[in-house]
Amino acid sequence: EVQLVETGGGLVQPGGSLRLSCAASDFTVSNNYMIWVRQAPGKGLEWVSVIYSDGTTYYADSVKGRFTISRDNSKNTLSLQMNNLRAEDTAVYYCAGSLSGYYSLDYWGQGARVTVSS
Amino acid sequence: EIVLTQSPDFQSVTPKEKVTITCRASRSIGSSLHWYQQKADQSPKLLIKYASQSISGVPSRFSGSGSGTDFTLTINSLEAEDAATYYCHQTGSIAITFGQGTRLEIK
Repeated sequence: EVQLVETGGGLVQPGGSLRLSCAASDFTVSNNYMIWVRQAPGKGLEWVSVIYSDGTTYYADSVKGRFTISRDNSKNTLSLQMNNLRAEDTAVYYCAGSLSGYYSLDYWGQGARVTVSS
Repeated sequence: EIVLTQSPDFQSVTPKEKVTITCRASRSIGSSLHWYQQKADQSPKLLIKYASQSISGVPSRFSGSGSGTDFTLTINSLEAEDAATYYCHQTGSIAITFGQGTRLEIK
């Protein structure tokens, strides 16, 4: 059974940093399209960053220059390094993966809560 | 950026009703449109991919249709467990986007 498990969430002050990890089982991170999606309290879904199987990465304008997506093939893990955090980054962060060439999000993690507050 | 507009934003429905949720894209995305269900305090779950392709394990009462800019998610014979928020999602461009969500309440 495929599992994606996020870790690393927590409370951080504005301007601080946090690193989220997403450990995959029965799913090879390096072979597939992986994405971070966030959901602010009471709001809808917003994409944050994607990494394609060839290593190409893209970022939403709202996080460009502050967040970095990466993967560790040896650990089969996806990561999101978040720097210079703002209050508006407060959200539950989901990692998700696609097995499909259509990039539908077949598998989702349980989410990691990030709160940016002083 | 491709904007996805769902309608309605909210619907209160009774069991066994048929429900239709629409998703309109601001420009053509072919069939690169997917639907998700998110129940309270849970992660989203893929219901339909590529506009109309069914997903293993998803009840057959869920179906999707459409192409280009207009898409529909249909739930036949609604059940109490279908209370959730439903999102459409386009992958027709690198900057993927989601619809704002449609919340279904079961009376």
